[in-house]
Amino acid sequence: GAGVSQTPSNKVTEKGKYVELRCDPISGHTALYWYRQSLGQGPEFLIYFQGTGAADDSGLPNDRFFAVRPEGSVSTLKIQRTERGDSAVYLCASSLSVRGNTEAFFGQGTRLTVV
Amino acid sequence: AQTVTQSQPEMSVQEAETVTLSCTYDTSESDYYLFWYKQPPSRQMILVIRQEAYKQQNATENRFSVNFQKAAKSFSLKISDSQLGDAAMYFCAFQGGGTASKLTFGTGTRLQVTL
Repeated sequence: GAGVSQTPSNKVTEKGKYVELRCDPISGHTALYWYRQSLGQGPEFLIYFQGTGAADDSGLPNDRFFAVRPEGSVSTLKIQRTERGDSAVYLCASSLSVRGNTEAFFGQGTRLTVV
Repeated sequence: AQTVTQSQPEMSVQEAETVTLSCTYDTSESDYYLFWYKQPPSRQMILVIRQEAYKQQNATENRFSVNFQKAAKSFSLKISDSQLGDAAMYFCAFQGGGTASKLTFGTGTRLQVTL
């Protein structure tokens, strides 16, 4: 597609439920990133992929969070046993490489609300 | 670990005037990149301008320019001839020059543009 696509745009779920957030990066971009943006804050890094492998998952807050990118393109962020504190906008970005001289393109995010 | 600080939660500028948004950062790295991103209500982060730390010359992009002071670890954004469409959240971000490609963001500055 023309840009990074994230679905759904908004998701409301009950506390304790499982959710999946999808990111479809720009075609040909090998690097894919997930960030979480809480209300009134800047985005915080969660994980990034170089191809199919998670190159750095140091930002995942706990073992309820998991992300996959099985074919090196679409990625899914999975959250188990959701808590109200997980409510945030989850942003995905992709770039041609992981170097700083390549631009990261962001999607419009998924706003997750846990009630 | 790197930190990025934006000390101005909100700024206001009149249309056609100039405004400067402040950003300071802390790092022990010598090779890195600095960015300003714009986030409108659509939530999508849009790259405004990028600065490579090894370049002494300040980056410019049309009405947007930066004042990069490496020794002071300061990276301010100047917007000239402000337009109504410039109203948004602005985030300063840091990226290391090595393989750790994650972006570290500040808390943002909300820019209002008035008639």
